[in-house]
Amino acid sequence: GESVGLHLPTLSVQEGDNSIINCAYSNSASDYFIWYKQESGKGPQFIIDIRSNMDKRQGQRVTVLLNKTVKHLSLQIAATQPGDSAVYFCAEKPRNTPLVFGKGTRLSVIA
Amino acid sequence: DTAVSQTPKYLVTQMGNDKSIKCEQNLGHDTMYWYKQDSKKFLKIMFSYNNKELIINETVPNRFSPKSPDKAHLNLHINSLELGDSAVYFCASSLLGQIEAFFGQGTRLTVV
Repeated sequence: GESVGLHLPTLSVQEGDNSIINCAYSNSASDYFIWYKQESGKGPQFIIDIRSNMDKRQGQRVTVLLNKTVKHLSLQIAATQPGDSAVYFCAEKPRNTPLVFGKGTRLSVIA
Repeated sequence: DTAVSQTPKYLVTQMGNDKSIKCEQNLGHDTMYWYKQDSKKFLKIMFSYNNKELIINETVPNRFSPKSPDKAHLNLHINSLELGDSAVYFCASSLLGQIEAFFGQGTRLTVV
């Protein structure tokens, strides 16, 4: 069954502002948590992952935060650009099983 | 140089028909997957193959039969199509144990 979910289905952000997309998960046994981006008409694309023994990881303009105490995952996008408009999925990767995806949040960037 | 390619991209068919979706990856991965994305964008794993062998088969009707002729291909055959099969089907691949999976562009199946 589904074990990964999201607080907000849609998020509108002004261009240049920071975006925060949240996700709640229920399976504490996952080794990794991952964020994927899906643009219209395309397949999901890997953005960043975080191992379960970490609480923060930074990439290029993106930061993922993991709070295992409350089973919460977030993706922060700095200086949001129009090209960031997409549906964002959190996913978890239990050992030896495929990715389990959450429901997705649509990010709309207002120019 | 498409990494994971699916054909066709769009498929419209009548109820009761049988159809196939093909998937090929040129990444040298040993594991391939089929996911189904419903109208609410929810992605759910259907099958997982490693080195041509089925390793994951979620609760999917028997009408769905994956076939992997080699490690680079994982095709999905669907018999007796139903209205509820309408969705976008994504093929993906990865190396076993690695985190990142690469997805194809999807096949939008519409059953009328």
